[in-house]
Parts: sequence; C-alpha cells; structure tokens
Amino acid sequence: GQNIDQPTEMTATEGAIVQINCTYQTSGFNGLFWYQQHAGEAPTFLSYNVLDGLEEKGRFSSFLSRSKGYSYLLLKELQMKDSASYLCALNQAGTALIFGKGTTLSVSS
Amino acid sequence: KAGVTQTPRYLIKTRGQQVTLSCSPISGHRSVSWYQQTPGQGLQFLFEYFSETQRNKGNFPGRFSGRQFSNSRSEMNVSTLELGDSALYLCASSPGGGQGFTDTQYFGPGTRLTVL
Repeated sequence: GQNIDQPTEMTATEGAIVQINCTYQTSGFNGLFWYQQHAGEAPTFLSYNVLDGLEEKGRFSSFLSRSKGYSYLLLKELQMKDSASYLCALNQAGTALIFGKGTTLSVSS
Repeated sequence: KAGVTQTPRYLIKTRGQQVTLSCSPISGHRSVSWYQQTPGQGLQFLFEYFSETQRNKGNFPGRFSGRQFSNSRSEMNVSTLELGDSALYLCASSPGGGQGFTDTQYFGPGTRLTVL
C-alpha cells in the first residue's frame, strides 16, 4: 500500500515563504501531483513532477526526490488568498490518484 | 471551455435509500474519475471510467457503482445508504489518452451528500 504523510496544519504571514512537505512510501509511481483546495471548493491543479528536481510556476514551485520518498511545495510571496488546503497525490501506474490528507495553510496579515 | 459540472450540488437522503449523482466532464475529455472526500479519510478514489468502461476501481463496497455514457457523461450510484456515506463526492475528468492517470485531472465542484 501507500502511505502519504503531510503536516495537518501550517500558519504563515503575508509576504513570507512557506514549504509544505509530503513524504510517501510506495514501490513505484508515475509522478506526483499537488492540488490546492479552498474551503467548499473543488481541488485545482498546481503542479506535477515526474522527474526528480524542481518545477517552478510563478510563485509556486514543487520538488521531488524519488530516492528519498519526498516532495515539497514551495509558496513564495504569500497572499491571503493562498489560505487553503494543499493536497499531495501520487499517480501510480494502473491505479488511481492516491491523496494525502492535505495540509491546511492559514495566511495572516 | 466549460469546466466539469456535477449535479445536484447538495442532497439529503435517509439510511437505506439509494442515490444517483451525475458528472459532465470537460468537452473532449474521455476519462471520468470519482472520489469521496471526508474530514477523516480525505480524498479517496472510487473508480474511473474511460470510453464507457470501468478502467480502475478503489476499495469501496459494491454498493458504490458507476457508469459512463457514450458522450462521456458519468453517473455514480450508491445503494442502501449508510450514515458513513455522508461526504463530498467529487468527479474529475482528464483527456484519458494515457494509461492510468498520467493526465492531469480537473475536478468538479462536488455533490455534498448528507445521510440522515
């Protein structure tokens, strides 16, 4: 099976940088997704890592290390609207997206 | 392009009843996946349909079933509802050309099901 672990909650202030970690134990997967979900809304796609390394998209970056079973999502120049739940998910060959339970990020002014 | 739509958005049922939820994917997308989201368990995969065939299935009892039509719209059905079935049911669509889930999935707003 798979175990995907994320911190339950994190807090940060506007303008800061925050790193949300995701660790997993699985025998193999195609890639790793990050989704953002605001309260009462649908998850929206943020990033997808297939190879080890950093993927940058504006204020958001995601990193993957397969050998260490580790990924992180980096959010820069935090804004109040970044307050949301951040979901890490593995795309495993032949099966579904397996999600972690998500990290609720609260951004304060 | 219009996004993924789900109907109804809210539903209240009683134990023992059955329910059918509907999902219309993004135009051109052939894969539809269904997920259950609860505070305790998070997002859990139910099943995926591609070209009217169930391609993948999660670990849910047989009371949970689905189907897909030729226009890629999908329905899921839950029979003999239990209190524990109260959840947000999300569907997600993707182009579906690859094997499994290498396509990015785009989620609908969900159907909030409450079982009393």
